[in-house]
Amino acid sequence: AQSVTQLDSQVPVFEEAPVELRCNYSSSVSVYLFWYVQYPNQGLQLLLKYLSGSTLVKGINGFEAEFNKSQTSFHLRKPSVHISDTAEYFCAVTPPGGKSTFGDGTTLTVKP
Amino acid sequence: DTAVSQTPKYLVTQMGNDKSIKCEQNLGHDTMYWYKQDSKKFLKIMFSYNNKELIINETVPNRFSPKSPDKAHLNLHINSLELGDSAVYFCASSQLGGTGELFFGEGSRLTVL
Repeated sequence: AQSVTQLDSQVPVFEEAPVELRCNYSSSVSVYLFWYVQYPNQGLQLLLKYLSGSTLVKGINGFEAEFNKSQTSFHLRKPSVHISDTAEYFCAVTPPGGKSTFGDGTTLTVKP
Repeated sequence: DTAVSQTPKYLVTQMGNDKSIKCEQNLGHDTMYWYKQDSKKFLKIMFSYNNKELIINETVPNRFSPKSPDKAHLNLHINSLELGDSAVYFCASSQLGGTGELFFGEGSRLTVL
């Protein structure tokens, strides 16, 4: 079985500041890792994913995440946030051929 | 051209009524899901269908009955609605044997009064 812990339920940050949203996971098997974003009143959409290879993955809207196998983490970062980045962010893990396990979400609020 | 579409987007109904939500995907995926998102934004998987066959049923009350007429469609019927059923219900799809990346619909917000 897998579990996902998003370490911060809410992250307030000022516009143009950097941000990091933290995600730790546990799994007895190899998993694929995902970050999804949910803008207000919308469905979830993929931000980025790690399948294999380079541990630094780049996604849409200037976000990137680093897979750290020894620490079983997959933290999401952006060097400079915009008001439009205000959203709910979900970390998820999926074993090959298995079902996804989601974290509880992190609410990112970008203030002017 | 919407990849995963669900209707209706909003439902408001009284306790005890029955309601249905429909979902269609045009991505050619084999697997479809229903997720429930509560007021705290927690996402919980309810059902998964693979090519019209029920794969996952996550201890959901049997008032909830999914139906998949074909692999592009997955509907959710809810009988005898209760206050606790108020939530946003998301349909999603993925490709069997793929990476597990999920494609979500825009959600159906159900409010039970």
